[in-house]
Amino acid sequence: NAGVTQTPKFQVLKTGQSMTLQCAQDMNHEYMSWYRQDPGMGLRLIHYSVGAGITDQGEVPNGYNVSRSTTEDFPLRLLSAAPSQTSVYFCASSLAPFVLTEAFFGQGTRLTVV
Amino acid sequence: AQKVTQAQTEISVVEKEDVTLDCVYETRDTTYYLFWYKQPPSGELVFLIRRNSFDEQNEISGRYSWNFQKSTSSFNFTITASQVVDSAVYFCALSEATGTASKLTFGTGTRLQVTL
Repeated sequence: NAGVTQTPKFQVLKTGQSMTLQCAQDMNHEYMSWYRQDPGMGLRLIHYSVGAGITDQGEVPNGYNVSRSTTEDFPLRLLSAAPSQTSVYFCASSLAPFVLTEAFFGQGTRLTVV
Repeated sequence: AQKVTQAQTEISVVEKEDVTLDCVYETRDTTYYLFWYKQPPSGELVFLIRRNSFDEQNEISGRYSWNFQKSTSSFNFTITASQVVDSAVYFCALSEATGTASKLTFGTGTRLQVTL
């Protein structure tokens, strides 16, 4: 049982480059979300999705795009990477979108933008 | 808007000491869930406990215990007889039940260092 799988684990980008962070879950969860973790800031919600075809913005959505074409996958796209996007990114999934009784997290992706 | 405050940025204790990590939350809802996660140096987030707003019973799991008090909006976490392996960053989080979709709000974390 893989749970939540994030790829890649590490990535270095140059300013202005674009890339996609992948997130996949095999638990048939409706709710998926992306967080970024910065020192002293905790985890902040970027985008979330309550089901295939439905996405919404979180606390810090600027500079990121998401889509949810399948229940399993929820990729996060950086359109034009900036040094301020250097962070550790976590994907999470949860069974029920309306009451988060639990959240399963991926291993994280450490992104550095130079 | 919901908010979680972990006022202790870093705590350092000697092994076998007891340590309490504080968590204070703000929410306007009557139905919500509180969580604690552990993030060891390896970086993953490890789920420790979930508590719903209707259950104020304290919980003990081995050396871990949690004290939930709605009157003070606190959900504190105590480690008894701390060990070096407890060294990690601990996050408290809050989820509200809403009509659209819930959001998990995290505190800024408390870094616990346990030394010999």
